Amino acid sequence: AQSVAQPEDQVNVAEGNPLTVKCTYSVSGNPYLFWYVQYPNRGLQFLLKYITGDNLVKGSYGFEAEFNKSQTSFHLKKPSALVSDSALYFCAVSPTYNFNKFYFGSGTKLNVKP
Amino acid sequence: EAQVTQNPRYLITVTGKKLTVTCSQNMNHEYMSWYRQDPGLGLRQIYYSMNVEVTDKGDVPEGYKVSRKEKRNFPLILESPSPNQTSLYFCASSRALSGQGAKGYTFGSGTRLTVV
Repeated sequence: AQSVAQPEDQVNVAEGNPLTVKCTYSVSGNPYLFWYVQYPNRGLQFLLKYITGDNLVKGSYGFEAEFNKSQTSFHLKKPSALVSDSALYFCAVSPTYNFNKFYFGSGTKLNVKP
Repeated sequence: EAQVTQNPRYLITVTGKKLTVTCSQNMNHEYMSWYRQDPGLGLRQIYYSMNVEVTDKGDVPEGYKVSRKEKRNFPLILESPSPNQTSLYFCASSRALSGQGAKGYTFGSGTRLTVV
């Protein structure tokens, strides 16, 4: 079965510190990988994606993500967190056998304290 | 403004009373999809559509129907809603889902459905 795991329900960081939100997946082949952010009472917003190529991808709002094929991980990172980064973050995976299918993790709530 | 529009935003209904949640996108996207979001489960895909008159089941299609008669519209139909369908529903659309031009989905603002 295809699955996406976000092992931390919540991540707390101080403003200005680096942040990491973890994601691992179990999807056959070489799937496409995505990160989305959800602010309260809003839909999900696209942050970044990995298709092929460089293992470090850069996205919106200073976020980046590191793909590790051997560990089947796609961790979201930011060098210096802002209070406005506080939100719910979702990792998503789309398998190459059917790009229409998207599998989401359970979400990680990021709290950035001033 | 490019967007995915869902209506209504909030809906309370009773068990068994048929309802439709509308979804419309103004970006001429081919791909559309419905998801439900439940605490601790993330988003789960209900149905998706690759183009007009082409739809397929996602992971949790039971109790739902969809139709894609026009490119811009993708309504979600609950023929006989039950309390376990109480959830937050999102419609999404995409211009491209494969290749280097893959964009992922653009999401609507959500419909919070309560079935009592």
